[in-house]
Amino acid sequence: LAKTTQPISMDSYEGQEVNITCSHNNIATNDYITWYQQFPSQGPRFIIQGYKTKVTNEVASLFIPADRKSSTLSLPRVSLSDTAVYYCLPHGSSNTGKLIFGQGTTLQVKP
Amino acid sequence: SQTIHQWPATLVQPVGSPLSLECTVEGTSNPNLYWYRQAAGRGLQLLFYSVGIGQISSEVPQNLSASRPQDRQFILSSKKLLLSDSGFYLCAWSVQQGWEQYFGPGTRLTVT
Repeated sequence: LAKTTQPISMDSYEGQEVNITCSHNNIATNDYITWYQQFPSQGPRFIIQGYKTKVTNEVASLFIPADRKSSTLSLPRVSLSDTAVYYCLPHGSSNTGKLIFGQGTTLQVKP
Repeated sequence: SQTIHQWPATLVQPVGSPLSLECTVEGTSNPNLYWYRQAAGRGLQLLFYSVGIGQISSEVPQNLSASRPQDRQFILSSKKLLLSDSGFYLCAWSVQQGWEQYFGPGTRLTVT
């Protein structure tokens, strides 16, 4: 299973773009990268998933370089409600069905 | 649409007492089911997962156990709670061969 490294915490202000980078140096060839968001006292919820290059949805963008050893979650124009913990999770056939959550990145958005 | 329920929402139990947490899923068949625990200020730890009735895989040795008596019912139990069992317990489901997991509202357990 690929081990991930993320910053423990980040601060931002409303309206700014936030980029959270996750390192996964030993990601398997067939692993995808998934990001989850967790608000206090709630379960995590899926944000975005990708394999390589760039993926964009209505919530965020995910950038994955060609070597796939890292990925960057980009949140455009954050608001106070984006304050949450963000988890990066590689997954694939090597760990099908299992999501291995690390510490995540606690994002604090300030007014 | 699919929904996932957990109860109770909160629970305070003395050390040495038994535990039973229940999770049910509606609107889907033959889901994969998962139990996670989150200690205060920590990430989620996968405790058990199940790919079918009566099929339980344990990820972490502990004094907890899980059972799946029905297709969409997942139960987490303990015969004797420890202080270290305190935490936020989350149940989740996914479709077979699926990668996206859907989490329930959670149970906050405090062992005193």
